[in-house]
Amino acid sequence: GENVEQHPSTLSVQEGDSAVIKCTYSDSASNYFPWYKQELGKRPQLIIDIRSNVGEKKDQRIAVTLNKTAKHFSLHITETQPEDSAVYFCAASREDTGRRALTFGSGTRLQVQP
Amino acid sequence: NAGVTQTPKFRVLKTGQSMTLLCAQDMNHEYMYWYRQDPGMGLRLIHYSVGEGTTAKGEVPDGYNVSRLKKQNFLLGLESAAPSQTSVYFCASRDRGRDEQYFGPGTRLTVT
Repeated sequence: GENVEQHPSTLSVQEGDSAVIKCTYSDSASNYFPWYKQELGKRPQLIIDIRSNVGEKKDQRIAVTLNKTAKHFSLHITETQPEDSAVYFCAASREDTGRRALTFGSGTRLQVQP
Repeated sequence: NAGVTQTPKFRVLKTGQSMTLLCAQDMNHEYMYWYRQDPGMGLRLIHYSVGEGTTAKGEVPDGYNVSRLKKQNFLLGLESAAPSQTSVYFCASRDRGRDEQYFGPGTRLTVT
């Protein structure tokens, strides 16, 4: 099955700096890669996603890049703000008879210091 | 439009007790999923359903059963709870032809 590894497990940055979180996946058939933000005690919220036919996607301060050959994808947050502090999860899935279940990384706790 | 809801929000069980977690969605989604989240780990798939009346095992199905008698509801059962099932349980749903999964607020379960 799919295996997703995520690094780093914790990340502390100063407000205004950039943050980068990296994930690798094992299943070359995976073709959908979402990123979720989870605040303490809350549900995971989708913040951005990318499909395997695209190399990069951007939404305001958030961007995701995908390298299919190397099987890794990254989340980039620019101009970080204290409200960006949360746990971020990457995930991967493949279209498999409609299952589309997600395999998650272990999460990155991002702390933005004011 | 409530999206995905879960009942209950919190529960404490003794070892050997049984319970059912309810997930409901009002978006007419075909696909529904149950995940568990343990400290320091990402969510792991327990069971899923690709439509009313169908269920299938995920990555960590042992000790759980599920049913999807109605399209809008997906039930997760624990027949004989064990301390290893202490976790936060999230339900999610997805529309046919789309990739995005929408998560419920979670159920925090403690088994003593």
